[in-house]
Amino acid sequence: AQKVTQAQTEISVVEKEDVTLDCVYETRDTTYYLFWYKQPPSGELVFLIRRNSFDEQNEISGRYSWNFQKSTSSFNFTITASQVVDSAVYFCALSGNSGGSNYKLTFGKGTLLTVNP
Amino acid sequence: KAGVTQTPRYLIKTRGQQVTLSCSPISGHRSVSWYQQTPGQGLQFLFEYFSETQRNKGNFPGRFSGRQFSNSRSEMNVSTLELGDSALYLCASSLGRQTSYEQYFGPGTRLTVT
Repeated sequence: AQKVTQAQTEISVVEKEDVTLDCVYETRDTTYYLFWYKQPPSGELVFLIRRNSFDEQNEISGRYSWNFQKSTSSFNFTITASQVVDSAVYFCALSGNSGGSNYKLTFGKGTLLTVNP
Repeated sequence: KAGVTQTPRYLIKTRGQQVTLSCSPISGHRSVSWYQQTPGQGLQFLFEYFSETQRNKGNFPGRFSGRQFSNSRSEMNVSTLELGDSALYLCASSLGRQTSYEQYFGPGTRLTVT
């Protein structure tokens, strides 16, 4: 079975600090996708990034960056110079072809990030 | 483009009743997935519909069912409601299968079972 672990339940930082959200995954599949989603207080999940298992290149998008390391089964998310608007719950998710021909998507428990002014 | 819409936004039901939730995906999206979100269990996958066929199902009892129409709109039904079914039910749509494409989520339906 596949599994996503976000060990940090809650993180609190002061504005302009850098913060890294950890995501560790388990899967037996050789082909899989990893995702990050953001859920602000309004409740609607917002897609941030998708990465396939064959692409270990790190990605940067503005203040956001992602570090994918297959050797440690991790897909960490860093926010540089955090802002109050970054306050949200962040979910890491994994899809793979476990137990059959259909892909399944599994979410981690989420990390609540609070950025204080 | 209009986003994913879900109706109703809030619902209060009593134990034993049944409920139907509706989801309209983004135009052109063929996959609709449903999730249950609770403080204790987090986000749990219910099922995915693609081209009117259920393609995948999570570990939920048979009281939870769904369907997808030819216009990709989807409904999910929960029969014989239990207190534990109180949750935020999220619908998400994507161009293709949920696990390869990014999903766009609706605002959710908050179901309270008393």
